[in-house]
Amino acid sequence: GAGVSQTPSNKVTEKGKYVELRCDPISGHTALYWYRQSLGQGPEFLIYFQGTGAADDSGLPNDRFFAVRPEGSVSTLKIQRTERGDSAVYLCASSPRGGGDTEAFFGQGTRLTVV
Amino acid sequence: GEDVEQSLFLSVREGDSSVINCTYTDSSSTYLYWYKQEPGAGLQLLTYIFSNMDMKQDQRLTVLLNKKDKHLSLRIADTQTGDSAIYFCAEAFSGNTPLVFGKGTRLSVIA
Repeated sequence: GAGVSQTPSNKVTEKGKYVELRCDPISGHTALYWYRQSLGQGPEFLIYFQGTGAADDSGLPNDRFFAVRPEGSVSTLKIQRTERGDSAVYLCASSPRGGGDTEAFFGQGTRLTVV
Repeated sequence: GEDVEQSLFLSVREGDSSVINCTYTDSSSTYLYWYKQEPGAGLQLLTYIFSNMDMKQDQRLTVLLNKKDKHLSLRIADTQTGDSAIYFCAEAFSGNTPLVFGKGTRLSVIA
């Protein structure tokens, strides 16, 4: 695709439910990042993949959050037992190889609302 | 981004220059970035500066870095209504470390 694609664009779920958010990075990009942006805040790092492996998951807030990237391309962020505080825009970014001097391209995000 | 601070709002007249300021706390930051976010759109990288540089210019954009004071600024010359957006300052330490963002500065351009 032309850019990073995230689906769905909007997701409303009930408290306690399980959700999956999908990210399709730019083809060939080995690095993939997940961020969470709450209202009025900047994006906060969740997890970073280099290829299939999670190189840094220090930003995941608790064990209800999990992410996978089994084939080194598409990634899924999974949230169990959702809470109202999980409501935010979840952003995905990819870059050709990672590294500070390479641009990370962001998707438009998935707006998650937990009611 | 508790380690990166920005003022929340800036309002300028069309045609004037805008200066958006940012302070960061970690002197080991290697790369400093400016991102733009328009309503309903993803983050767009505007420019970045390596920590051993003092200034970088790219068309209407000028980035100034004062490493001693840990202060970064973005100057937009001849500001246009299309520049209205939220601008985020971000830092990265090196390699593949994730970006640390500020809360963003909302720029409003008055015609």
